[in-house]
Amino acid sequence: NAGVTQTPKFQVLKTGQSMTLQCAQDMNHNSMYWYRQDPGMGLRLIYYSASEGTTDKGEVPNGYNVSRLNKREFSLRLESAAPSQTSVYFCASTYMAGGLTEAFFGQGTRLTVV
Amino acid sequence: KQEVTQIPAALSVPEGENLVLNCSFTDSAIYNLQWFRQDPGKGLTSLLLIQSSQREQTSGRLNASLDKSSGRSTLYIAASQPGDSATYLCAVLKAAGNKLTFGGGTRVLVKP
Repeated sequence: NAGVTQTPKFQVLKTGQSMTLQCAQDMNHNSMYWYRQDPGMGLRLIYYSASEGTTDKGEVPNGYNVSRLNKREFSLRLESAAPSQTSVYFCASTYMAGGLTEAFFGQGTRLTVV
Repeated sequence: KQEVTQIPAALSVPEGENLVLNCSFTDSAIYNLQWFRQDPGKGLTSLLLIQSSQREQTSGRLNASLDKSSGRSTLYIAASQPGDSATYLCAVLKAAGNKLTFGGGTRVLVKP
């Protein structure tokens, strides 16, 4: 049981390049999330998907797009990377069953845009 | 809009002292509140999870309380140790829409 898996773990991009961050969970969770974390700060929500087929903007969606490919996978795309997008990106998923809920996180992707 | 605030932003205590970390949220319609620990340069480790129907959870030296009506949670760490030095984050899962919102975190330093 791998939990939440993010790829890649590290990435360096040049300004203007594009890339997709991948996230997959094998726990049959309904909701998935993408966050960014800048030095000394908490996690800010970029986009989330409450269920397969739906996506919603979070606090900081500008410059990003997402795809909920299926129940397992939720990808984050940077179409034209900017230095301001240098950050650590975390993916998460939550389940809800029998009135119980919990969030699980991937290990993060450290992205540097030069 | 759910807003989650953690006070203080940073805390420094001598070893052995009890830690009290606060988390407040503006919308009480939540599924749960979860406390995480994050070491520098690392991912998040889940410490305690309080469902909306619960008032507290305990794990070893850690105890977390939840007062939904007042929009507050408190994380207590008894008899702090230098190994407790880390950033502590709270997150709230909103009942409608499943939005998971984080506070800004409290950075804790326990001095030997």
